[in-house]
Amino acid sequence: KAGVTQTPRYLIKTRGQQVTLSCSPISGHRSVSWYQQTPGQGLQFLFEYFSETQRNKGNFPGRFSGRQFSNSRSEMNVSTLELGDSALYLCASSPAGWDEKLFFGSGTQLSVL
Amino acid sequence: GQQVMQIPQYQHVQEGEDFTTYCNSSTTLSNIQWYKQRPGGHPVFLIQLVKSGEVKKQKRLTFQFGEAKKNSSLHITATQTTDVGTYFCAGSPRAGTYKYIFGTGTRLKVLA
Repeated sequence: KAGVTQTPRYLIKTRGQQVTLSCSPISGHRSVSWYQQTPGQGLQFLFEYFSETQRNKGNFPGRFSGRQFSNSRSEMNVSTLELGDSALYLCASSPAGWDEKLFFGSGTQLSVL
Repeated sequence: GQQVMQIPQYQHVQEGEDFTTYCNSSTTLSNIQWYKQRPGGHPVFLIQLVKSGEVKKQKRLTFQFGEAKKNSSLHITATQTTDVGTYFCAGSPRAGTYKYIFGTGTRLKVLA
């Protein structure tokens, strides 16, 4: 079984631009969560999707958004990038998202210049 | 908001020594999970604890969930160089919230 796939692996953007990150969960997994990882803040929860519905979200500004498609693939978008958005963005999948272990992808390393 | 703290932040040990990391939540948790992230890698699930006072073992690793379900610990006996990485606890505030609050992590270095 293929693992969680995130693309692209690396991204370099400049302030003010927007970016879209993609995540393909493990086949059969319907829950996808997104986390931001930085050296200073650790892993911060962004949002969780299940069957194309956002069920929970973290404390991030509205510039951070996401969506999930009918095949469970998910995308997150960050608009008007700021320097502080530089981070490793991790996607995790699980069968239903209800108190289950998370399978993480390798992440997308975003650098904002 | 709810916070999950881990101590220590860093730990250097000689190979063969024991290692313990502690996880403390500001509120009661429904369950707690532990993950390991190797340098340059992504978090990998180790274990989940659900019951108050629960203790689970995986070879040299022993995990505990506190009686009040607000703290947890991971103990590694006789560390090996393969144990190098950052260990995170992740707490679920309550069942069905579909989110985990990750601890700040403990970075372990093992000196051969």
